[in-house]
Amino acid sequence: DTAVSQTPKYLVTQMGNDKSIKCEQNLGHDTMYWYKQDSKKFLKIMFSYNNKELIINETVPNRFSPKSPDKAHLNLHINSLELGDSAVYFCASSQEGTSGYNEQFFGPGTRLTVL
Amino acid sequence: KQEVTQIPAALSVPEGENLVLNCSFTDSAIYNLQWFRQDPGKGLTSLLLIQSSQREQTSGRLNASLDKSSGRSTLYIAASQPGDSATYLCAVRFNKFYFGSGTKLNVKP
Repeated sequence: DTAVSQTPKYLVTQMGNDKSIKCEQNLGHDTMYWYKQDSKKFLKIMFSYNNKELIINETVPNRFSPKSPDKAHLNLHINSLELGDSAVYFCASSQEGTSGYNEQFFGPGTRLTVL
Repeated sequence: KQEVTQIPAALSVPEGENLVLNCSFTDSAIYNLQWFRQDPGKGLTSLLLIQSSQREQTSGRLNASLDKSSGRSTLYIAASQPGDSATYLCAVRFNKFYFGSGTKLNVKP
């Protein structure tokens, strides 16, 4: 069983379109994340949700809007896509809570290409 | 400013060699440090997690150490194999996670 899954795996779209990426984890974790990996392979956190509440919101354009309908899901919606949004987007999860800070598990990534 | 640096950016070794990958960070107030491997076109696979109170963690041929006072962690790979070829990333948790840019390892048969 896949622990952290993302859909779609590949996404090719035109500038100006709106698209969504979905993430689900079946690990029972209480915290989920979105990361962006650019063309130089550098990973940077975008958002973090704990128990459906936004706890980290980095300096990303407000065209990016995360939504967490429940603890197991964290979706990323992107409006008015731009060329610079082309990257690989990774979802991750971890169990925080009272047991301390635990390891992150990553999804397979979604490669977004904006033409 | 909190930063994570990995040197070297790339490393090529013959099969069977023991090797060390380095990760340095600018702030000793960390919660934990996690080592990952990333294969081309794939996601990140967690290798080892070291909490701030620990000095090292071991898993099979891998050993990770943590020295908070000097701002360093090393990942030691024993008896390297071609299957170890991948990019190795360290992630340091301060108030949030910061990733290094990775070391691309090539183990030659």
